[in-house]
Amino acid sequence: DSGVTQTPKHLITATGQRVTLRCSPRSGDLSVYWYQQSLDQGLQFLIQYYNGEERAKGNILERFSAQQFPDLHSELNLSSLELGDSALYFCASSSQTVSGNTIYFGEGSWLTVV
Amino acid sequence: AQSVAQPEDQVNVAEGNPLTVKCTYSVSGNPYLFWYVQYPNRGLQFLLKYITGDNLVKGSYGFEAEFNKSQTSFHLKKPSALVSDSALYFCAVSRNFNKFYFGSGTKLNVKP
Repeated sequence: DSGVTQTPKHLITATGQRVTLRCSPRSGDLSVYWYQQSLDQGLQFLIQYYNGEERAKGNILERFSAQQFPDLHSELNLSSLELGDSALYFCASSSQTVSGNTIYFGEGSWLTVV
Repeated sequence: AQSVAQPEDQVNVAEGNPLTVKCTYSVSGNPYLFWYVQYPNRGLQFLLKYITGDNLVKGSYGFEAEFNKSQTSFHLKKPSALVSDSALYFCAVSRNFNKFYFGSGTKLNVKP
């Protein structure tokens, strides 16, 4: 168990809908990362937050947004969903200490768009 | 730009034999390198990392990796493979811990 908690584990929704994925980082970790894993595109970095502020942005669509709250949990919002958005969405967290960082992954949220 | 290449989609090895999963990277400056393993329908689990120091890094489950700066490689190795090592392995690189770039993954099949 990595200590990173993601909910829901599975989600099925229709095209055009909006969903919210939630992530609780490991205790004490200030950084949260979101990744998308699909069969054809591998593991894609979406976005990173550090202590409530956006730190880095990757291949995140405009229809997607994220935020990190004062209690450090994070949410990834996916809107106007398309079939191609079906994927496994991972959250990861890290402490970003000087001693050398490691990111730890949650178990993921499976999103199926039908 | 930073990137990671895992040139083999799949590696097949017999149980008890040594295994190597290859990774090469491209990054400006000093790289921070990582290996993760993913079992079916699970999240990625951290195996080992190279930040600085000894080029040979030892990690979980008997795995080790060697950092080779001249060849920009960070190959994952294990002296004796187990059937339970069969999984998907990802190499990752970061320069500033803000972005971690992952390779496309290598499926390791260990046959009894």
